[in-house]
Amino acid sequence: NAGVTQTPKFQVLKTGQSMTLQCAQDMNHNSMYWYRQDPGMGLRLIYYSASEGTTDKGEVPNGYNVSRLNKREFSLRLESAAPSQTSVYFCASSDRLSAGQPQHFGDGTRLSIL
Amino acid sequence: QKEVEQNSGPLSVPEGAIASLNCTYSDRGSQSFFWYRQYSGKSPELIMSIYSNGDKEDGRFTAQLNKASQYVSLLIRDSQPSDSATYLCAVKGMEYGNKLVFGAGTILRVKS
Repeated sequence: NAGVTQTPKFQVLKTGQSMTLQCAQDMNHNSMYWYRQDPGMGLRLIYYSASEGTTDKGEVPNGYNVSRLNKREFSLRLESAAPSQTSVYFCASSDRLSAGQPQHFGDGTRLSIL
Repeated sequence: QKEVEQNSGPLSVPEGAIASLNCTYSDRGSQSFFWYRQYSGKSPELIMSIYSNGDKEDGRFTAQLNKASQYVSLLIRDSQPSDSATYLCAVKGMEYGNKLVFGAGTILRVKS
């Protein structure tokens, strides 16, 4: 009963390096999301995928790209990491993108950019 | 004005007391409201959802919604030290494209 699984849990990068954060859910949810959480800022939406085959920008998309690989998997890529991208990244999923559907979160990836 | 506002706290209450957490939102058309609990270093965990005006109770938790005044609150009765966490208010509405908008969270500390 894994729910939403994120890998890796921790990562340290140097400025300019690239990496991909992986997310997979086993709840047969249609919608998936990527957030970042910074102290005092709450959770901010980076990108989301309302359904398989679609992706859209959220509040803070600059410097990121996403891929909805299939219904289960939604990855987040940093092409050229910057210190401002040091944060905790959460992936979430919901049954669908409609008003009443809550989101369920993975355990997060703690990313440091030096 | 932020879309979803919460007092950052910390809110300190003694064990056994009622903790009252408040949240205001800007979009009058918001339809769904959620409270998440987040322990330090952990992911947000859904504890309550509410969709219509009034109160909704689940164990020691009561969510209260007043759409006319645009606020939602969470009451925790018989507070326990294990309730110490950050509580995130989240709102969904058409203005946000049915995406969740989170407040910054209120830190709750329950002292034994």
